[in-house]
Amino acid sequence: ETGVTQSPTHLIKTRGQQVTLRCSSQSGHNTVSWYQQALGQGPQFIFQYYREEENGRGNFPPRFSGLQFPNYSSELNVNALELDDSALYLCASRQDLTGSPLHFGNGTRLTVT
Amino acid sequence: DQQVKQNSPSLSVQEGRISILNCDYTNSMFDYFLWYKKYPAEGPTFLISISSIKDKNEDGRFTVFLNKSAKHLSLHIVPSQPGDSAVYFCAASANTGNQFYFGTGTSLTVIP
Repeated sequence: ETGVTQSPTHLIKTRGQQVTLRCSSQSGHNTVSWYQQALGQGPQFIFQYYREEENGRGNFPPRFSGLQFPNYSSELNVNALELDDSALYLCASRQDLTGSPLHFGNGTRLTVT
Repeated sequence: DQQVKQNSPSLSVQEGRISILNCDYTNSMFDYFLWYKKYPAEGPTFLISISSIKDKNEDGRFTVFLNKSAKHLSLHIVPSQPGDSAVYFCAASANTGNQFYFGTGTSLTVIP
């Protein structure tokens, strides 16, 4: 069983640039969520995709957007990067919408300078 | 507004003894709870879950207890091992919702 994989592992961008992070969900999982984890904090929900449609969104501005593909892989796009966007971005997949745990990838460490 | 709180940033326990990690929540709609372990440079690893219809769930050395009236859950690790040293996060969700709310984590150190 292949787990959740994320790419790249590390990324350095300049303020104002755009970034795309990628995630392959665990086999058999049709729901993908993205979380942002700042230093010393717990993961914060960005949004969730279920069968290619956005299924919920946390308190993040519209410059955070995403996609889910037919094979249930996903992308997180962030436009107009700000210094505060520097964080660990975690992708998680789960089987169906409720009653099952999230399984996380190892994350992408984004640094905005 | 922090709906899930872990009030102990750190905990040290002797190898072989019990580790007890605590978590409080404020939203009475939460009905599904998870515990995760996180090593540096890795993503959180799922440990154990509990739904609100139960008050206890066991998996090997790990037991989670849920006290709905107090809005409190705890993770017991018995016996503690040095490999258990990591940051532990609790998370909660409502069945009608689609997001998990995480605490800020407790760093556990198991001393050999």
